[in-house]
Amino acid sequence: AQSVSQHNHHVILSEAASLELGCNYSYGGTVNLFWYVQYPGQHLQLLLKYFSGDPLVKGIKGFEAEFIKSKFSFNLRKPSVQWSDTAEYFCAVIDTGGFKTIFGAGTRLFVKA
Amino acid sequence: DGGITQSPKYLFRKEGQNVTLSCEQNLNHDAMYWYRQDPGQGLRLIYYSQIVNDFQKGDIAEGYSVSREKKESFPLTVTSAQKNPTAFYLCASSIQTSPVNEQFFGPGTRLTVL
Repeated sequence: AQSVSQHNHHVILSEAASLELGCNYSYGGTVNLFWYVQYPGQHLQLLLKYFSGDPLVKGIKGFEAEFIKSKFSFNLRKPSVQWSDTAEYFCAVIDTGGFKTIFGAGTRLFVKA
Repeated sequence: DGGITQSPKYLFRKEGQNVTLSCEQNLNHDAMYWYRQDPGQGLRLIYYSQIVNDFQKGDIAEGYSVSREKKESFPLTVTSAQKNPTAFYLCASSIQTSPVNEQFFGPGTRLTVL
């Protein structure tokens, strides 16, 4: 069965620090990958997605993620975080042509001003 | 404004009672989903519907039921058979029957069983 593993449940950073959140999935076929974000008091929303092509994907608010097929990974990065990036981040995967998106457990990021 | 609405925001029920959570979307999306979110477990799929009058069980459907009589509505009933119903419930929709497109989420309903 497919699964998604997010390595860190809680991350605390100071403003301007660099961010990398790990995400690994288990599935042997072709997949589509997502990062969703849930800011405090707001709806869950899409941060970025990968379907095909360039494995380095750019998203909103300066986030990017790199798909490394050989490592089954889709890590999220941001060079310099801001206080407003405080949120919970979810990695998700779906096999191409499928209908069930599998979500990771989430990583709570707190950025100190 | 287009989007997904869920009501109520907070819901309390006594053990043994059924309760229905509302989800409405005006995005003209074909597919709709119900997830349960528990701390440290991410989102788990309860039910999904690709088209009106059709729906499929997700990974944790036991104790839940749904209907899809209209494209814009996908209510979820939490029955008394659900052993641990206290949770945060999220409804989502996507533009095509395949969620290769992004899912749009509602604000959620927090259900507490007393």
